[in-house]
Amino acid sequence: LAKTTQPISMDSYEGQEVNITCSHNNIATNDYITWYQQFPSQGPRFIIQGYKTKVTNEVASLFIPADRKSSTLSLPRVSLSDTAVYYCLVGDIAGTYKYIFGTGTRLKVLA
Amino acid sequence: DVKVTQSSRYLVKRTGEKVFLECVQDMDHENMFWYRQDPGLGLRLIYFSYDVKMKEKGDIPEGYSVSREKKERFSLILESASTNQTSMYLCASSPLRDTQYFGPGTRLTVL
Repeated sequence: LAKTTQPISMDSYEGQEVNITCSHNNIATNDYITWYQQFPSQGPRFIIQGYKTKVTNEVASLFIPADRKSSTLSLPRVSLSDTAVYYCLVGDIAGTYKYIFGTGTRLKVLA
Repeated sequence: DVKVTQSSRYLVKRTGEKVFLECVQDMDHENMFWYRQDPGLGLRLIYFSYDVKMKEKGDIPEGYSVSREKKERFSLILESASTNQTSMYLCASSPLRDTQYFGPGTRLTVL
């Protein structure tokens, strides 16, 4: 199972675009890349998932280079409510989809 | 919307007690997971189940057991609670080859 490495914390200001990069050098062929958001005292919430290139939804974009050894979560125009911990995970699609959660990136959005 | 519910948000037990944490999902998902989350350690997988009556150990199964008698229900059992099992416990479910959906968590305190 691929281990991920991401910054421990980041600060940003409201209205800015935030990019959080995750490295996963040992990603396997069948692994997908998934990002979750977690607020205090709540369970993680799914944000976005991708396999290669770029994926965009109403919340975020996910950029994955051709070698797939890293990925970048992009949050456009963050607000105070985006203050949370963001987890990058890689997981196989062989059935059980077992994840390894790291310690995540604590994003603090300042007014 | 996918709904994963956990039997309690907060629970206080005494050392040596048998503790049951219950998780129910309403989306007919094959996979179910139990994690614990501790400050500085992120989420760690305790057990997961990919079918009724099937289970596999995660990264930290010691001191825990699980039961899955029905597809929608996955129970985590602490046979004899200890203070080092004080933690936030998170349940998740997923369909095959898809993302995990988390419940709100149970904050367990063992005195």
